[in-house]
Amino acid sequence: QVQLVQSGVEVKKPGASVKVSCKASGYSFTSYGISWVRQAPGQGLEWMGWISGYNGNTNYAQRLQGRVTMTTDTSTSTAYMELRSLRSDDTAVYYCARDLSKEYFYGMDVWGQGTTVIVSS
Amino acid sequence: DIQLTQSPSFLSASVGDRVTITCRASQGIRNYLAWYQQKPGKAPKLLIYAASTLQSGVPSRFSGSGSGAEFTLTISSLQPEDFATYYCQQLNSYPPFTFGPGTKVHIK
Repeated sequence: QVQLVQSGVEVKKPGASVKVSCKASGYSFTSYGISWVRQAPGQGLEWMGWISGYNGNTNYAQRLQGRVTMTTDTSTSTAYMELRSLRSDDTAVYYCARDLSKEYFYGMDVWGQGTTVIVSS
Repeated sequence: DIQLTQSPSFLSASVGDRVTITCRASQGIRNYLAWYQQKPGKAPKLLIYAASTLQSGVPSRFSGSGSGAEFTLTISSLQPEDFATYYCQQLNSYPPFTFGPGTKVHIK
């Protein structure tokens, strides 16, 4: 079945970096894009950015520009999200999610289980 | 950035009630709107895309409508498993693909 499996809990100190992985299975990885979405404790959803599974093109939320990098490894069907210069307000659950459509932005139909990132001194 | 507002923020309802949630965009987004359901501790689940298309496997009591800047999600007869938080998301222009602030539906 189609699924995205994310890496485990991360605890980081302020100023450090974190890299979250998202391994895809059950579909052609290069045919779909992947978005990253985060959710701070008790808060709503925040779209962080998108990466093409086909050519690695990216588009990031302006407020994260310069701190976030999204990459893919097509040989292992894995997407990565790296966030640098971590602050306490980066504490959140981070989700990867697959585009519903190969051609249009209609939403995300398959989600990873989420990765908790805790930033604390 | 396109901003989304949702109303109401909280909704108390009973099993069997008809429930309507509204999502308004700060500018026209054609029909590039999706609705998600999220339960505590779980990832969001896609319910509706392209404003009114039901995602495969989603019960038909869920429906979406609207175009331009105003959209609605309707649950025709609320079931116990529908108590959750609902988010809209615009996918017309990015970055970012903004989410609405959410509507929490809880038991009256």
